[in-house]
Amino acid sequence: KAGVTQTPRYLIKTRGQQVTLSCSPISGHRSVSWYQQTPGQGLQFLFEYFSETQRNKGNFPGRFSGRQFSNSRSEMNVSTLELGDSALYLCASSPTGDVYEQYFGPGTRLTVT
Amino acid sequence: AQSVAQPEDQVNVAEGNPLTVKCTYSVSGNPYLFWYVQYPNRGLQFLLKYITGDNLVKGSYGFEAEFNKSQTSFHLKKPSALVSDSALYFCAGYGGSQGNLIFGKGTKLSVKP
Repeated sequence: KAGVTQTPRYLIKTRGQQVTLSCSPISGHRSVSWYQQTPGQGLQFLFEYFSETQRNKGNFPGRFSGRQFSNSRSEMNVSTLELGDSALYLCASSPTGDVYEQYFGPGTRLTVT
Repeated sequence: AQSVAQPEDQVNVAEGNPLTVKCTYSVSGNPYLFWYVQYPNRGLQFLLKYITGDNLVKGSYGFEAEFNKSQTSFHLKKPSALVSDSALYFCAGYGGSQGNLIFGKGTKLSVKP
């Protein structure tokens, strides 16, 4: 089975722009979670989608949003980028959303200049 | 508030020596605890988990972890370290109603030949 894939792997954007990241979960998995990883804050939970519905949300501003499609693929969007949004964005998929079955993708490295 | 702490930013050990990476937790209810490893430019790889049962949990690559409820700890151990074990290690927890993993800040393990 193919693992979790994330595209693009690397991205450079300018302050004020917006960006969309994509995550394709493992086939058959219905839950996708997104995390932001920075050296200062570590790994922080953004949100989780299950069957196209947001089930859980972390403590991030409204500039961060996401969605999930009927094929379970998920996108996250960050609008009005700030320098502090530079991070590794990880997505994790799970068959049902149980946290003890999360499988992580390689991440998208976003650099905001 | 629920939290997971890794008190050491870095752990240095010599190859062949035992290693310990420390983790303490504060989660409500019965804790679910995990260890993940991250190599450079890679996503998180699952090592092991504690859900219930034996306090000593065995995982991938010869790693094990001991759950200690009285000390609220879940330290990662390996009897004999390899240079290839050098990576960033994350402890994570999930408790009760929280719908996502809570990660520690990570510990960089450096194994020298």
